[in-house]
Amino acid sequence: AQSVTQLGSHVSVSEGALVLLRCNYSSSVPPYLFWYVQYPNQGLQLLLKYTSAATLVKGINGFEAEFKKSETSFHLTKPSAHMSDAAEYFCAVSKGAQKLVFGQGTRLTINP
Amino acid sequence: EAGVAQSPRYKIIEKRQSVAFWCNPISGHATLYWYQQILGQGPKLLIQFQNNGVVDDSQLPKDRFSAERLKGVDSTLKIQPAKLEDSAVYLCASSLEGVVSGANVLTFGAGSRLTVL
Repeated sequence: AQSVTQLGSHVSVSEGALVLLRCNYSSSVPPYLFWYVQYPNQGLQLLLKYTSAATLVKGINGFEAEFKKSETSFHLTKPSAHMSDAAEYFCAVSKGAQKLVFGQGTRLTINP
Repeated sequence: EAGVAQSPRYKIIEKRQSVAFWCNPISGHATLYWYQQILGQGPKLLIQFQNNGVVDDSQLPKDRFSAERLKGVDSTLKIQPAKLEDSAVYLCASSLEGVVSGANVLTFGAGSRLTVL
């Protein structure tokens, strides 16, 4: 069965600094990969998804992620953090018609 | 477009009591999902409907949890009797796609937070 591991349950960066949230997946076949964001007291919102097209995927709010098969990784990045980026971020994986499996989440804090 | 609506937003009950959550998905979305999100964990799928048929309920504790989706629109999730470990946020999501695919994009509601005392 597929699974995801998010390295670091809490990441803190300064405003304007690079954001890097790590995600590694386990799947026997090329998967679908997603990043969702959850703001306080709101539901999850799709940031971006990879479905075997371009390996560099651009999402909303300036985020992007790169699919690296050799490293089984799908790390999320943003060049310059903004205060409004503070939220919980979830990496998720699925394949074929199988259900979406989420990682445990990474809470991103932005320091002024 | 209106989002996924859920109610109630918050519920506090004693253990062994029952509770029901309601979800109204985005109009026209064929697939509906219920997820359980325990504090500090990622969401876990409880049940998935396509129209009003069940696609996956392999992780639904069927001795106490039940769910239905009448007429392929609204859905209710019931817990009876509740246990302490059921304290969590119950998220409803829907997707437009009428086929079951791992590539489906889910739109989530704000969730219903359950506290069992």
